[in-house]
Amino acid sequence: AQSVTQLDSQVPVFEEAPVELRCNYSSSVSVYLFWYVQYPNQGLQLLLKYLSGSTLVKGINGFEAEFNKSQTSFHLRKPSVHISDTAEYFCAVSAVQSGSRLTFGEGTQLTVNP
Amino acid sequence: EAQVTQNPRYLITVTGKKLTVTCSQNMNHEYMSWYRQDPGLGLRQIYYSMNVEVTDKGDVPEGYKVSRKEKRNFPLILESPSPNQTSLYFCASSLSGKHEQYFGPGTRLTVT
Repeated sequence: AQSVTQLDSQVPVFEEAPVELRCNYSSSVSVYLFWYVQYPNQGLQLLLKYLSGSTLVKGINGFEAEFNKSQTSFHLRKPSVHISDTAEYFCAVSAVQSGSRLTFGEGTQLTVNP
Repeated sequence: EAQVTQNPRYLITVTGKKLTVTCSQNMNHEYMSWYRQDPGLGLRQIYYSMNVEVTDKGDVPEGYKVSRKEKRNFPLILESPSPNQTSLYFCASSLSGKHEQYFGPGTRLTVT
């Protein structure tokens, strides 16, 4: 079985500051990794995914994440945030052989203040 | 437009009154799933379906039923809702073997 831990439940930052949302996972098998974003009163939208290849993955809206296998981490970063990035962010993992099942972390609320 | 739709978006009901939340996708996806989202717990999988007539329990299946008679539809049934099923529910779908899931807009259920 897989598990995901998002290390910060809330992250407040000022506009144009850099941000890092931390995600650690646990799994005994190879996994794929995802970050989803949930804007207020909306469903989840895929930000980026790591399936294989380069460990630095670029997603939409200027976000990127780095897969670190030795530290079992998949932290999300953005060099300069906007007010519109205020949302809840979910890290998720899927075992390569699982078919499509996702296991989600608890979520991190990112609040960007002016 | 490719999408996952859910109905209703909001529902207030009373304990014990059977209800169904519908989910439909127009992307010809084989895989469909239901999640519930609760504060501090993230999303937890209730049931999933790998294809028509193939369903299986997720992590929190107690008190829920599903069916998959058609590829596009995957309704969630609460036979006797209880207050601890008050939650935000999401339906999702994906192509078989593709782990990227597409989510519906959510259904906020309150059971009093």
